Amino acid sequence: EAGVAQSPRYKIIEKRQSVAFWCNPISGHATLYWYQQILGQGPKLLIQFQNNGVVDDSQLPKDRFSAERLKGVDSTLKIQPAKLEDSAVYLCASNSGPRGETQYFGPGTRLLVL
Amino acid sequence: AQSVTQLGSHVSVSEGALVLLRCNYSSSVPPYLFWYVQYPNQGLQLLLKYTSAATLVKGINGFEAEFKKSETSFHLTKPSAHMSDAAEYFCAVTTGGGNKLTFGTGTQLKVEL
Repeated sequence: EAGVAQSPRYKIIEKRQSVAFWCNPISGHATLYWYQQILGQGPKLLIQFQNNGVVDDSQLPKDRFSAERLKGVDSTLKIQPAKLEDSAVYLCASNSGPRGETQYFGPGTRLLVL
Repeated sequence: AQSVTQLGSHVSVSEGALVLLRCNYSSSVPPYLFWYVQYPNQGLQLLLKYTSAATLVKGINGFEAEFKKSETSFHLTKPSAHMSDAAEYFCAVTTGGGNKLTFGTGTQLKVEL
């Protein structure tokens, strides 16, 4: 079974530029999560989708971050404009949704904002 | 609100020694608890999880953890460390229907010869 796929793996941009990350969850997984992991910290949930609807985006900086999950499968996370403090690893995870079910993580996208 | 505290951001053990990584949680409802491992430049991999069944949970690679409600703890142990265990370990908690994971700050495990 293929795991969660993410691209690109690495991205370097200048501040105020825009960037987009892509995630393809495990086939059949209805729930998709985006986490931000800043160096030295644990991952923090940015947004959670159930199919193509948003379940939780309370920690998403909506003035600069946006995310969508068209057709309830792939998802993109966008930052516009980027700030220095957005340098982090962006992790995508998926599962079928029930409480306590394991979330399966992709390899992440490492973003460096200069 | 739910939270997780991992005591010790860095732990160093000798190969063959006991591994003990500490995790304490705070939750207003019965929690589900997880331990994940992260190798350099990789995503997180589940080691084990507690979902209100047996309090002693066995995971992959010889790791286990015990849920102790009275101590609000879920410490991770392994009887004998191996060089391949060197990685960062995260404890996480989820409560409620949304299944949101709240992670601790992680513990970097170093295994020395």
